[in-house]
Amino acid sequence: QVQLVESGGGVVRPGRSLRLSCVVSGFTLSRHAMEWVRQTPGKGLECVAAISYNGTSKYYADSVKGRFSVFRDNSRNKVFLQMTNLRPEDTAVYYCVRDMAGEIRGIFDYWGQGILVTVSS
Amino acid sequence: EVVLTQSPGTLSLSPGERATLSCRASQGVSSNFLAWYQQKPGQAPRLLIFDSANRATGIPDRFSGSGSGTDFALTISSLEPEDFAVYYCQQYGTSPPWTFGHGTKVEIK
Repeated sequence: QVQLVESGGGVVRPGRSLRLSCVVSGFTLSRHAMEWVRQTPGKGLECVAAISYNGTSKYYADSVKGRFSVFRDNSRNKVFLQMTNLRPEDTAVYYCVRDMAGEIRGIFDYWGQGILVTVSS
Repeated sequence: EVVLTQSPGTLSLSPGERATLSCRASQGVSSNFLAWYQQKPGQAPRLLIFDSANRATGIPDRFSGSGSGTDFALTISSLEPEDFAVYYCQQYGTSPPWTFGHGTKVEIK
């Protein structure tokens, strides 16, 4: 069955960096766009980054543009979110999410279990 | 950016009852590109409905979506115990940013 497993979260000080990884199984990664969606009690759900099936198209929310970078390695069934210059407002549960389509479409049909990132001094 | 407003905030119903959840957009949603998700405590959201009215794989037919333009609805025809959860709508128009509503909690009366 389809599985997405995130890793790399934790507690980090403001201004530092963190890399989230997502390993997938149960489907062919190279056929799907992938996204990272975060959730906080206050702001709710927000898609912060997306990458097309072959990595040629990417999207970033304004809130993370210039600080976050999404990339993928289809040969290793992995998707990554590199987060730099982290801010307290980046504190959230981050989900690795599969898009229903190969190009970035925005229909999130499978989700990982989520990983907590806490930015605090 | 399209703002989605969900109502009511909380819906208190008994098992077997019908639930109707509303999602209103601040502007028309392109091609009815609207989805619904269910989230239970401690779990990730799960896709229920996409393109306003299409059920996702494995979703029971007691869940149905409807609507167009700015007004959409999710209906659960007869609530099962496992349906008590928070429900989110999301629009994915022609280009991002996509946006989510803040959710409707369906709780046991």
